[in-house]
Amino acid sequence: QQQVKQSPQSLIVQKGGISIINCAYENTAFDYFPWYQQFPGKGPALLIAIRPDVSEKKEGRFTISFNKSAKQFSLHIMDSQPGDSATYFCAASQLYSGGGADGLTFGKGTHLIIQP
Amino acid sequence: EAGVAQSPRYKIIEKRQSVAFWCNPISGHATLYWYQQILGQGPKLLIQFQNNGVVDDSQLPKDRFSAERLKGVDSTLKIQPAKLEDSAVYLCASSLVGAGNNSPLHFGNGTRLTVT
Repeated sequence: QQQVKQSPQSLIVQKGGISIINCAYENTAFDYFPWYQQFPGKGPALLIAIRPDVSEKKEGRFTISFNKSAKQFSLHIMDSQPGDSATYFCAASQLYSGGGADGLTFGKGTHLIIQP
Repeated sequence: EAGVAQSPRYKIIEKRQSVAFWCNPISGHATLYWYQQILGQGPKLLIQFQNNGVVDDSQLPKDRFSAERLKGVDSTLKIQPAKLEDSAVYLCASSLVGAGNNSPLHFGNGTRLTVT
């Protein structure tokens, strides 16, 4: 059962362009939505995350847009650079009031290539 | 801050053999996760520990996989006997509590297992 659907599977963007990756989730109990970046041979690293009480979060060139009614969220990379070439994963989990949380459920990933 | 340490980095075994992976989380992190990442896919949660207790092992193939976290620190994941479909990268991650805004998951670089 795939609870987080990610698209596209691969993406090629010119340097300086905007990279957009989309995710959709099914479980309405999810309330934490991070994006992870993974380089070959390395583990995923947290890039940016959002809670459903806001519709957008921006950190530098990275922005998450969140649409609770549509159960969708997306990652926008502005002014994309060759160093951004990596695999990007969206994820989701349910947080608990006591501070704990379920383990993250990941999408299948998007292989992003930024052409110089 | 030292990251999540995993060993070995690579392992090649024949099917039906056994194998064990080791993980040392970031100091002070109460929650530890093991994920399986098959080539071209997102990480899939196998087991989540809170200190030395199991929080979620619903996706762990218990007929062949086992994991333990002694004294709430280091953890080992074992496969016995291995199957061809177990070929994957096994990622260990840790967080202060569960995954959340103030407690992101930190991943190790993984152990790449090849079963022949």
